[in-house]
Amino acid sequence: EIVLTQSPGTLSLSPGESATLSCRASQSVSSLFLTWYQQKPGQAPRLLIYGASSRATGIPDRFDGSGSGTDFTLTISRLEPEDSAVYYCQQFGGSLYTFGQGTKLEI
Amino acid sequence: QVHLLQSGAEVKKPGASVRISCKASAYTFTRYYIHWVRQTPGQGLEWMGLINPNGDTNYAHRFRGRITMSRDPSTSTIYMELSGLRSEDAAVYFCARELAVTCQFDYWGQGTVVTVSS
Repeated sequence: EIVLTQSPGTLSLSPGESATLSCRASQSVSSLFLTWYQQKPGQAPRLLIYGASSRATGIPDRFDGSGSGTDFTLTISRLEPEDSAVYYCQQFGGSLYTFGQGTKLEI
Repeated sequence: QVHLLQSGAEVKKPGASVRISCKASAYTFTRYYIHWVRQTPGQGLEWMGLINPNGDTNYAHRFRGRITMSRDPSTSTIYMELSGLRSEDAAVYFCARELAVTCQFDYWGQGTVVTVSS
């Protein structure tokens, strides 16, 4: 089973700044199957980025995904208060899906 | 509007089983996989397994032997049953859909709270 480790655990930034969230895999992950979600309190997760770098429908271009192999990054620029949430990466490999433990972003 | 409507909150005793439903609407039911993901209090997301349009299932290792997923195409409803409940199974359980194997869970149910208490 591929383990995803996200860092930092918590990130506190101010509006207008940029956030860099990391997702590291225990073994190589196909970029096709690396996904990012945003979850706000009391809500279901929301699909943000798929295929490591493609934005889902309706996601603003302030959200940018990158990376390959074992290292992936979600960058959020021009932070807004509404970006406060927990962000999870997810992968599919070996017929199994796994999630990272999440990064909490506080604006 | 695509919608996944889950059944209501459950309270179960340790050792019991829980069955949660997820009713899909406004899309072609037979084209999508349905996954179950749980979230324990204050914790992250945990993938539990999937059922594909053919009714085939694939479960996460830690739930094998305790979990059963099934579907009723006539009502576009998917079911997840977890047996042998323990206190650590107390969580919010979500269903989510995926178009084939794309690793894109694009629509999610609202979540079902399961409480395990004696």
